[in-house]
This record gives sequence, structure tokens and C-alpha cells, in this order.
Amino acid sequence: DGGITQSPKYLFRKEGQNVTLSCEQNLNHDAMYWYRQDPGQGLRLIYYSQIVNDFQKGDIAEGYSVSREKKESFPLTVTSAQKNPTAFYLCASNREGLLNEQFFGPGTRLTVL
Amino acid sequence: AQSVTQPDIHITVSEGASLELRCNYSYGATPYLFWYVQSPGQGLQLLLKYFSGDTLVQGIKGFEAEFKRSQSSFNLRKPSVHWSDAAEYFCAVGSGNTPLVFGKGTRLSVIA
Repeated sequence: DGGITQSPKYLFRKEGQNVTLSCEQNLNHDAMYWYRQDPGQGLRLIYYSQIVNDFQKGDIAEGYSVSREKKESFPLTVTSAQKNPTAFYLCASNREGLLNEQFFGPGTRLTVL
Repeated sequence: AQSVTQPDIHITVSEGASLELRCNYSYGATPYLFWYVQSPGQGLQLLLKYFSGDTLVQGIKGFEAEFKRSQSSFNLRKPSVHWSDAAEYFCAVGSGNTPLVFGKGTRLSVIA
């Protein structure tokens, strides 16, 4: 079945450690996105990529980094510079174009202790 | 820049009752509008979208939405709510040149 995989579903890290969240898609989509979701805040865009080896900052990119070395993969690193990293992180992808339907992964809940 | 407001943070309706979730957008040109639904602890799923044409849009799961340019609104409706509709609903607006902007969501509770 085609879809988006995010792993793990729950992730715990100690404060000060970098952590990388995985996002893989087998939908042959060109564009991929990372969102952060906090209660009452909706979805806020962290980074997005419309093509391999290229990505753009979203609204809240500070303290995060990404790479897009393969079309299928768009990992997100939460660095120690991110002041409040505990949140629910969602990855999404869509066919070429910013208006095509986004397909979402199941999310990763990151807790920093 | 575009923005989306969902005025209702939480709505409770009885099973079988009708539902309307409000969405107001701000965008200078013709907007592209979306409604997504999120079950607890899950990703989002597209319910419906409006790009142009008929202002009443039909979606999945029996939902519909009406685009009203004069009111800058794109409200989501369902004639009869089922318990399985309990979820969080997000309205989003796009321009084609920048990524979608999502509202903060409305949580729907359904009571017997």
C-alpha cells in the first residue's frame, strides 16, 4: 500500500540532545512538508521541499534542520537550539504543486525530558 | 499574506443533529480553500476543496462546504452528525505560490 511512514510514533529524548524524525513516502510525490502541532495552535509549517536537494524554511524553522537527498525521504532534525521541542510532528507530501492534496503521515510525538 | 480564522475552538453536538463549522479567510486574490479532518493521534485527511466554479462543494463522509466571497467564508456543514465524526477539523487556504496556511482547528465532540 502507498503511503507515508513516520517512525517512531513516540520518541523521548533528554534535553540538549539532537534527535532526527523519519519521514518516508512511496507515493512518488515531489513535495514534502514538516509541520509542528501544539494544542490550540493548529499546524505550523517548519520546512518544505518541492524537489530533491532543495528545501525552504517555513514559519517556525529556527532550531530545526532538514535534508532531501532522496525523493522518498525527508528527515527532520530537532536540534538543541529548539527551545520547546516537545510537540506532535506531522509529515506530509503531495504531487508537484503547492495546491495538490497533501497526504499526511500518522505523526511522531516527541517528548524532551 | 493569507490567513485563516476558525472562531470556534470546541463544538459539541448531539448525534443526528446538523453541524456547521465556521472558517473565515483573508486573502486578496481568489483563494483555494480546503477542509481537513484529524482523528486523535493521527494525521490529517482531506474532506473537500474549493478551487473555482460551483460555490457549494461536496466532500467525503457526507460533508459539504459553501464558499461565500462576500463574507470571506468557507463553512463546513453536515446534515446529520454521527459519533464517528468526533475529531478535529482544520480549514486551510492556499495561493498556489506558497504552502497552505492552516487554521487553529475546531474540535468536534458528539454526544448521544
